[in-house]
Amino acid sequence: DAGVIQSPRHEVTEMGQEVTLRCKPISGHNSLFWYRQTMMRGLELLIYFNNNVPIDDSGMPEDRFSAKMPNASFSTLKIQPSEPRDSAVYFCASSFKGEAASQETQYFGPGTRLLVL
Amino acid sequence: AQSVTQLGSHVSVSEGALVLLRCNYSSSVPPYLFWYVQYPNQGLQLLLKYTTGATLVKGINGFEAEFKKSETSFHLTKPSAHMSDAAEYFCAVSGSAGNNRKLIWGLGTSLAVNP
Repeated sequence: DAGVIQSPRHEVTEMGQEVTLRCKPISGHNSLFWYRQTMMRGLELLIYFNNNVPIDDSGMPEDRFSAKMPNASFSTLKIQPSEPRDSAVYFCASSFKGEAASQETQYFGPGTRLLVL
Repeated sequence: AQSVTQLGSHVSVSEGALVLLRCNYSSSVPPYLFWYVQYPNQGLQLLLKYTTGATLVKGINGFEAEFKKSETSFHLTKPSAHMSDAAEYFCAVSGSAGNNRKLIWGLGTSLAVNP
């Protein structure tokens, strides 16, 4: 299995530009998570989906951030307009949610390192 | 509310020495607890987790952790450090009862292994 795939791996953009991060979860997984990692705040859950439906987006910083999951094999996280404080590493993770919650494990992608100038 | 504290943002050990990474948690419900490892420029990988049952949990790469409810701790140990263990280690607690989806994360501990 190829694991969780994220693209791009690195993104440098200027303030005000739109940024789109992409994620392909592991085949067969039914849940997808977007995280942001910074030195100051550590790892933060932004949003997660179950069966392509957003379940909890309380971690999304503000209206400039949006996430979609049009199908089971693809998700995007969009920032519009981007700001320097959005600079961080963004991780996507996927898991299979079955009947036994204790059996669920999140598998992380390699991350997208975003720098907003 | 749930929270995680990792004591020591940087830990340095000699190759072959004991590794001890500390994690204390706060939870208003029976917790699920996790340790993840992050190698440079990579995503996080699950080392081990505690959900219910035996309080001593064994994970990959020779790591283990013990859930101590009275101390609200879940420290990670390995008897003998290897150079390949150098990485960032994260402790996490489930955000709600019986739910390991919305995890609350510690800030991480960077482990350096000296030859």
